Amino acid sequence: AQSVTQLDSQVPVFEEAPVELRCNYSSSVSVYLFWYVQYPNQGLQLLLKYLSGSTLVKGINGFEAEFNKSQTSFHLRKPSVHISDTAEYFCAVSDRGQGAQKLVFGQGTRLTINP
Amino acid sequence: DVKVTQSSRYLVKRTGEKVFLECVQDMDHENMFWYRQDPGLGLRLIYFSYDVKMKEKGDIPEGYSVSREKKERFSLILESASTNQTSMYLCASRTQGARSTEAFFGQGTRLTVV
Repeated sequence: AQSVTQLDSQVPVFEEAPVELRCNYSSSVSVYLFWYVQYPNQGLQLLLKYLSGSTLVKGINGFEAEFNKSQTSFHLRKPSVHISDTAEYFCAVSDRGQGAQKLVFGQGTRLTINP
Repeated sequence: DVKVTQSSRYLVKRTGEKVFLECVQDMDHENMFWYRQDPGLGLRLIYFSYDVKMKEKGDIPEGYSVSREKKERFSLILESASTNQTSMYLCASRTQGARSTEAFFGQGTRLTVV
């Protein structure tokens, strides 16, 4: 069974500063990895995904994430944040097998951007 | 665009009522999911379905059941609502197998049980 741990429940940063949101996963099989964002009073929107190939993946709104298999991590980064990045961010993992595939989420990290 | 539609954004129900939350997707996805979202707990999987009339329990199925009579529709049922089921409920759909990548989410239903 897979599990996901987001190491920070809240991350406050100043506008234009860099940010890293940390995610570690546990799985006995090969996985797909995802980051989703949830703006206030909205559903979840995909930021980026790792399926295979290059371990550095780029997503929308200037975000990127790096898959590290040896450390079982998939940390999300942005070099310069904007007020509009204030949201909750969720890391998720799914196995690659055939058939039914659960999508398991972490606890979420609330990113707050201060002016 | 993929669309996952949940029938209500907000619901208020009384303790003991039977509650139906409906979800419809328009992308012919095999997999559909119901999650519950609570502060500090992230999204917890209640049930998922990988085909019509097929379902599997997630991590917190107690107090819930589901129905999938048609491929596009996945219903979550609270047999007898309780105040601890007050929460945000999110439905998602996804393709299956080698083509499977991300899930697409509805806008959520905020359920309050009084």
